[in-house]
Amino acid sequence: KAGVTQTPRYLIKTRGQQVTLSCSPISGHRSVSWYQQTPGQGLQFLFEYFSETQRNKGNFPGRFSGRQFSNSRSEMNVSTLELGDSALYLCASSRGDGNNEQFFGPGTRLTVL
Amino acid sequence: DAKTTQPPSMDCAEGRAANLPCNHSTISGNEYVYWYRQIHSQGPQYIIHGLKNNETNEMASLIITEDRKSSTLILPHATLRDTAVYYCIVSHQGGSEKLVFGKGMKLTVNP
Repeated sequence: KAGVTQTPRYLIKTRGQQVTLSCSPISGHRSVSWYQQTPGQGLQFLFEYFSETQRNKGNFPGRFSGRQFSNSRSEMNVSTLELGDSALYLCASSRGDGNNEQFFGPGTRLTVL
Repeated sequence: DAKTTQPPSMDCAEGRAANLPCNHSTISGNEYVYWYRQIHSQGPQYIIHGLKNNETNEMASLIITEDRKSSTLILPHATLRDTAVYYCIVSHQGGSEKLVFGKGMKLTVNP
């Protein structure tokens, strides 16, 4: 079956702009988690959505938000972009039963200039 | 979540077994040990997980010590494609799903 897809794969924005990233989970998966990866901080958990509800949230400012649709697809939004938001944003899908067996997409590489 | 400690890097010869150690001395009774790996420029990939019994799947074996304070991931016949950063993570099951990644360990498989 098809894996996790993320669009776009690459994105360049300037400071102050906002950006929306999209994630399509594996068919049948109901949980989508988002992670940010930077060379300095490594992989950090942003938030998890399950059945259109945010079920868990990491330690990121309110500029980072997300949502999940009824078909389990998810979007994350970053407003008022800062240079430090340049990162690889990874989406992971899972069944959502709490077993933590997550399947990751290829990521969206965001560059903020 | 409990923290894990892994050596920063390890080398292994192609075709030999790679034994990747992980310490998790503060693991609680209901926390599982997970292993993920990330090959350069790709998203992390789930490998295996376990609670207290040894586990094996088509990718690897997981050996957890009796006191559960450490574990070893074994790749029985390492190939060049196994070169990656390997993450050992401890986490509860049930409820929300959240993985707390540490720095991981870079495994380099040499020809």
